[in-house]
Amino acid sequence: GNSVTQMEGPVTLSEEAFLTINCTYTATGYPSLFWYVQYPGEGLQLLLKATKADDKGSNKGFEATYRKETTSFHLEKGSVQVSDSAVYFCALSDGTGANSKLTFGKGITLSVRP
Amino acid sequence: DGGITQSPKYLFRKEGQNVTLSCEQNLNHDAMYWYRQDPGQGLRLIYYSQIVNDFQKGDIAEGYSVSREKKESFPLTVTSAQKNPTAFYLCASSFSYGYTFGSGTRLTVV
Repeated sequence: GNSVTQMEGPVTLSEEAFLTINCTYTATGYPSLFWYVQYPGEGLQLLLKATKADDKGSNKGFEATYRKETTSFHLEKGSVQVSDSAVYFCALSDGTGANSKLTFGKGITLSVRP
Repeated sequence: DGGITQSPKYLFRKEGQNVTLSCEQNLNHDAMYWYRQDPGQGLRLIYYSQIVNDFQKGDIAEGYSVSREKKESFPLTVTSAQKNPTAFYLCASSFSYGYTFGSGTRLTVV
């Protein structure tokens, strides 16, 4: 079956530091890949996505590239802010529209200190 | 604005009681999902529905039940058979590559 593996957390960084959160996946076929962010007490918000190999998703200074050869979708940001403190989930979808299901990694908590 | 509404935000249940969590969407999405979130375990799929009057079990369906009588609504019942129901429950809907999540219901058994 499908699975998503995220690096162990939590992660604590100083403001303006470089961020990398690793994500690898196992899936049959060609899944779509996602990063979601969850702020305290809230639901999940889509941060970025990539639907095919070598696609780069980007949003709010975050980037991730779909690497089929290494089955990875690592999240990066050049300079984090305190407001980026949240839980980050990597996920994959094995289809489109009503025929799809999301499989999530365990999530990682990021804390950014001033 | 279109979105997903989950209610209530906080819910307390006595042991042995059934409780129903509400999920309503006005996005006209065909597919809807229920996930359970526990600390350190990510999100696990409970049930999903791809079309009205049809639904499928996810990875952890035991102790839960759902219905999908209307496109807009996908309520989740946590039954007394669920041995460890205290968790954060998230509802989602999808169309094409877009998934939209509600703000969640935190269920606590007292």
